[in-house]
Amino acid sequence: QSALTQPASVSGSPGQSITISCTGTSSDVGGYNFVSWYQQHPGKVPKLMIYEVKNRPSGVSNRFSGSKSGNTASLTISGLQAEDEADYYCVSYTASSSLVVFGGGTKLTVL
Amino acid sequence: EVQLVQSGEEVKQPGESLKISCKGSGYSFSNQYIGWVRQKPGKGLEWMGIIYPGNSDTRYSPSFEGQVTISADKSTSTTYLQWSSLKASDSAMYYCARRNNNWLDPWGQGTLVTVSS
Repeated sequence: QSALTQPASVSGSPGQSITISCTGTSSDVGGYNFVSWYQQHPGKVPKLMIYEVKNRPSGVSNRFSGSKSGNTASLTISGLQAEDEADYYCVSYTASSSLVVFGGGTKLTVL
Repeated sequence: EVQLVQSGEEVKQPGESLKISCKGSGYSFSNQYIGWVRQKPGKGLEWMGIIYPGNSDTRYSPSFEGQVTISADKSTSTTYLQWSSLKASDSAMYYCARRNNNWLDPWGQGTLVTVSS
């Protein structure tokens, strides 16, 4: 069982917006603005999409945005495109000794 | 360019030992944590642990404590993930990733480990 809870799957039609949630505790998501999101296409290396809750690395589309409220962080993808179909993982800093905690991943299907 | 390059695919038998590597370049290797992530076929990413090469401070996820050993060699800018006795359940893709501040970037290309008799 992963420390951060994500929905197993979400889906949306092209052009629509979807939101993926990531729920933790006050020892990780809620306690620090250190949530990041990763996109992984099948057979590929995970790619950083959002860091420190809401910041986009250079080269990442502005259709991707992040936010946080309490112990839940969210990734929103607007204007869904077929290429967005992938698995998405949230990661947070944790006050526990392991320093890092992952979500279980969410499979995004573009209908 | 900041880069992590991992060692190649491994095929091993149960009970054998294994050490895979991740070589960093393009940044101050000693001063940033490197983590290891497991991904079993068709499954999600699992955090294994992390090491600070500068002083070899190593932290393990509870699920992996005692199951693997993470180490680093500053002189060669390389971190290692090691098993003393592999099991079939260790078959997976293994990624290393640099902990840049509080996010993971970049990632290595992955090392596929297959354990089968």
